[in-house]
Amino acid sequence: QQPVQSPQAVILREGEDAVINCSSSKALYSVHWYRQKHGEAPVFLMILLKGGEQKGHEKISASFNEKKQQSSLYLTASQLSYSGTYFCGTERAGTDKLIFGTGTRLQVFP
Amino acid sequence: GAVVSQHPSRVICKSGTSVKIECRSLDFQATTMFWYRQFPKQSLMLMATSNEGSKATYEQGVEKDKFLINHASLTLSTLTVTSAHPEDSSFYICSARVDRENTEAFFGQGTRLTVV
Repeated sequence: QQPVQSPQAVILREGEDAVINCSSSKALYSVHWYRQKHGEAPVFLMILLKGGEQKGHEKISASFNEKKQQSSLYLTASQLSYSGTYFCGTERAGTDKLIFGTGTRLQVFP
Repeated sequence: GAVVSQHPSRVICKSGTSVKIECRSLDFQATTMFWYRQFPKQSLMLMATSNEGSKATYEQGVEKDKFLINHASLTLSTLTVTSAHPEDSSFYICSARVDRENTEAFFGQGTRLTVV
């Protein structure tokens, strides 16, 4: 079953922050985050493996709450290049399938 | 990072014909590759898992006779859309992982299929 992301869309001014949530109805082994520009392949941002794990990548960080089966992506001081659609990808223990969430479309304006 | 190459990037075909899409891992061996389909403004939907040397595993609702997958070597998987119809028009994208788990998925460039 596909993870649900919220919000569906976000509009930001440069320098503003945003949070994107990913929620699964099934137990998760790991969570991936990707960003996709229109007509292009998704680009890997980060992977979180353990419950409670947090990771950072420049001004983009994420957390993973294994018990709640949720992950959040934090975008701080957004840049124009952050625009795109963000997908979480989840995998369950014992399977190497990556199932993508519903997606969050992010637009950053000057 | 690892490189996955997908070809062609765009294809237009007539209804009723078949189209083959290739996915190659250029600098690593991939025993497993994944095929996704994406409609405009929607998420990537997993179609099937391609296993080297064995039959592909299809997700529920995906017609295996329509979407033929062959994984003949450790670096090549192909997806053939048979008897294509306009509703098969979509963005098809493959991915592979170096290890089975705990690693990022590397994606091909995607193939935009238009059936006229």
